[in-house]
Amino acid sequence: DQQVKQNSPSLSVQEGRISILNCDYTNSMFDYFLWYKKYPAEGPTFLISISSIKDKNEDGRFTVFLNKSAKHLSLHIVPSQPGDSAVYFCAASAKYSGGSNYKLTFGKGTLLTVNP
Amino acid sequence: KAGVTQTPRYLIKTRGQQVTLSCSPISGHRSVSWYQQTPGQGLQFLFEYFSETQRNKGNFPGRFSGRQFSNSRSEMNVSTLELGDSALYLCASRGQTNTGELFFGEGSRLTVL
Repeated sequence: DQQVKQNSPSLSVQEGRISILNCDYTNSMFDYFLWYKKYPAEGPTFLISISSIKDKNEDGRFTVFLNKSAKHLSLHIVPSQPGDSAVYFCAASAKYSGGSNYKLTFGKGTLLTVNP
Repeated sequence: KAGVTQTPRYLIKTRGQQVTLSCSPISGHRSVSWYQQTPGQGLQFLFEYFSETQRNKGNFPGRFSGRQFSNSRSEMNVSTLELGDSALYLCASRGQTNTGELFFGEGSRLTVL
């Protein structure tokens, strides 16, 4: 049962345009959401996050939007640059049952290609 | 501050063998998680250790095991390797935080022939 879904395996955009990566989740217990970027042969690196008490978080060219009622979040990259070409993973965290810490559940990733 | 270090980076094994992967977390981080990444499956949670105790385990068979030492370094072991175990194994550490932000190593690429 896939609790975090990234339905687009790939996305191609032109340099300078906006990239929008989407993510849906099913578990209403998720209360923190993160985006990671991964280049080939490297580990994922944290990009941006958002708490469930917010609906938007911005960091430079990157903005994450959260729509709790729709259980949907999106990552906007404006303007897109060729160096942004990577796999982007959406992740969500919820408390362990009976515990006080968190486990991350990842989507399958979206390969973003930004063309010069 | 050094990042998460994983060894070995690449290894090739044959079916039926076993393998041990090592992870050194960021200094001061006591939580270490392991993830398996395969094409088309994203990152799948294996287990998490905190202060030498396994706190949670993913849906993997018992051939996958791990442990954590008193210095927070962690190892994972896969016994009786199968072709389907070929993957990138990622270790991640986390500091004292209520959020789920993880810091990943570069991974150990395992190929099973």
